[in-house]
Amino acid sequence: GAGVSQTPSNKVTEKGKYVELRCDPISGHTALYWYRQSLGQGPEFLIYFQGTGAADDSGLPNDRFFAVRPEGSVSTLKIQRTERGDSAVYLCASSQTSQGRSKTGELFFGEGSRLTVL
Amino acid sequence: SQELEQSPQSLIVQEGKNLTINCTSSKTLYGLYWYKQKYGEGLIFLMMLQKGGEEKSHEKITAKLDEKKQQSSLHITASQPSHAGIYLCGADNYDSGGYQKVTFGTGTKLQVIP
Repeated sequence: GAGVSQTPSNKVTEKGKYVELRCDPISGHTALYWYRQSLGQGPEFLIYFQGTGAADDSGLPNDRFFAVRPEGSVSTLKIQRTERGDSAVYLCASSQTSQGRSKTGELFFGEGSRLTVL
Repeated sequence: SQELEQSPQSLIVQEGKNLTINCTSSKTLYGLYWYKQKYGEGLIFLMMLQKGGEEKSHEKITAKLDEKKQQSSLHITASQPSHAGIYLCGADNYDSGGYQKVTFGTGTKLQVIP
């Protein structure tokens, strides 16, 4: 498809389990972002990739969270030892960039992965 | 850190009425973004404002950024049921590293009654 694709759309897991969330950005988009949106809140920045490297991971809440983008396209957000507080919608966004900034200002968001930790 | 306050938190209007949503920043903005979100869907980009006093329109939606670049308003003319959703303002700063590390407001939930 032409848009940002995220899988799974829904994930229910038990406390303490390991979870992987996948993001397939729009082809050719070098910038990739992960955001987390809790119920009733706006999205919160987690991490930014420019190509293969994580240029800014300052939004990751703790060391249980990790993200990779090994080939500069698909990215995986990994959460270890999940906790109930990790329950949220995890959004991925991508953009074409000129020196890190989208030319039009638009970030293209996927529909998100809804994570529920029981 | 950047903080954005949106008002109102929710809004119910009759179809055909005009409405305004406000977004206020605690810091001078470099870029101010407006997005729309429907339940179960990702964010849809509406527009970006960067210059003080700038105004942009898309169909029946107009957004303005004040001269001091700390406040933005989004105005919908003759609202329709298709306008219903959550409107989010977002902002990034010069010190965000040259990329779009956007801080979002908590959103304004709009319902349009036919």
